[in-house]
Amino acid sequence: DARVTQTPRHKVTEMGQEVTMRCQPILGHNTVFWYRQTMMQGLELLAYFRNRAPLDDSGMPKDRFSAEMPDATLATLKIQPSEPRDSAVYFCASGVSYSYNEQFFGPGTRLTVL
Amino acid sequence: DAKTTQPNSMESNEEEPVHLPCNHSTISGTDYIHWYRQLPSQGPEYVIHGLTSNVNNRMASLAIAEDRKSSTLILHRATLRDAAVYYCILRDWETSYDKVIFGPGTSLSVIP
Repeated sequence: DARVTQTPRHKVTEMGQEVTMRCQPILGHNTVFWYRQTMMQGLELLAYFRNRAPLDDSGMPKDRFSAEMPDATLATLKIQPSEPRDSAVYFCASGVSYSYNEQFFGPGTRLTVL
Repeated sequence: DAKTTQPNSMESNEEEPVHLPCNHSTISGTDYIHWYRQLPSQGPEYVIHGLTSNVNNRMASLAIAEDRKSSTLILHRATLRDAAVYYCILRDWETSYDKVIFGPGTSLSVIP
């Protein structure tokens, strides 16, 4: 049963620390998405990649967030330095470009910045 | 991007059908209508999608109005496991098909 995996599942850190979240998309999927979910803002699209190339990161705060795909099996989202307002659940999703079908979401990383 | 409007919340009795409405009056000809749902403490999951014709799958049915300005997700027999937030989303095939932009959705409660 192919699934998107995310690590860590939970992360508690102090303000100012660097946070790295990892995502393994489903094998064969060529699009990867990062979302952030908070009670106030709901689900927000931060960035997405197609064939490992970043296509849209307009939803991401550029000064502290960065997203990369070092290879087809790994996507990373990094926050440096982290702030309390970054506390949220971060979801990764993968899919097949130009497919009529769905995006598959991972279980999320719950980040708490103290 | 064309927007969707959904009720904030709905309630249903267990084992009864549920009709979740979605308005999308500014839908364009290249917009597909997708539904996702998010169970508590989980990531969203795909439910169903359609363009013009009604669609059925093992999870639900999608009824699309003839003018495409509204649609309804139908759960034929609600169970407690169907309690979730349901998102109605438009995906433009021509310009931004890859992206899924979520609105606030409808929070469905199922009463035993």
